[in-house]
Amino acid sequence: ETGVTQSPTHLIKTRGQQVTLRCSSQSGHNTVSWYQQALGQGPQFIFQYYREEENGRGNFPPRFSGLQFPNYSSELNVNALELDDSALYLCASGAGGSGYTFGSGTRLTVV
Amino acid sequence: QQQVKQSPQSLIVQKGGISIINCAYENTAFDYFPWYQQFPGKGPALLIAIRPDVSEKKEGRFTISFNKSAKQFSLHIMDSQPGDSATYFCAAKVGTGANNLFFGTGTRLTVIP
Repeated sequence: ETGVTQSPTHLIKTRGQQVTLRCSSQSGHNTVSWYQQALGQGPQFIFQYYREEENGRGNFPPRFSGLQFPNYSSELNVNALELDDSALYLCASGAGGSGYTFGSGTRLTVV
Repeated sequence: QQQVKQSPQSLIVQKGGISIINCAYENTAFDYFPWYQQFPGKGPALLIAIRPDVSEKKEGRFTISFNKSAKQFSLHIMDSQPGDSATYFCAAKVGTGANNLFFGTGTRLTVIP
């Protein structure tokens, strides 16, 4: 049990649709980051939230957005889905420093 | 471009052997170098990490060797076991701020009995 729960585990969406992925962190983890892992690749950093504000972003377009809530849960929203958005989406949470825990991810397929 | 380059892409080792995975980086501002282990259907799990002020770190059967001048670091798994069969990722990041890890492309390790 990692303490970081992601939902749903699998999702199929149509190109052009919007999707919301959810992450529930353990109590005290005030920092959450999201990663995209394409098949056969390493995870790529999307962005990070600290105390409900975005404080770091990777090379992803604005249609990738997020929210972090006071109850240690967070969301990743992707608008105007493209086929290349098909990937495993991972959230990682921590209380600062370098000790981040990854969830098991949401497998998104865009058709 | 790939900020952290990892090799080999796949590795097959006999049980009891030594598994060695190598990574190289270019950004000299990186100051934290973790290794992650990922099983199918799971997220990456931190295995061991090193900072550039030391050349080696050992935790159980896992050792990181770090060569700052060559900008390379490697993971050694001693006495490899079938349960070690997984995909391994090296990563690097700058500072203790945003958790902006740059991952390698992964090495699929298979340990045969």
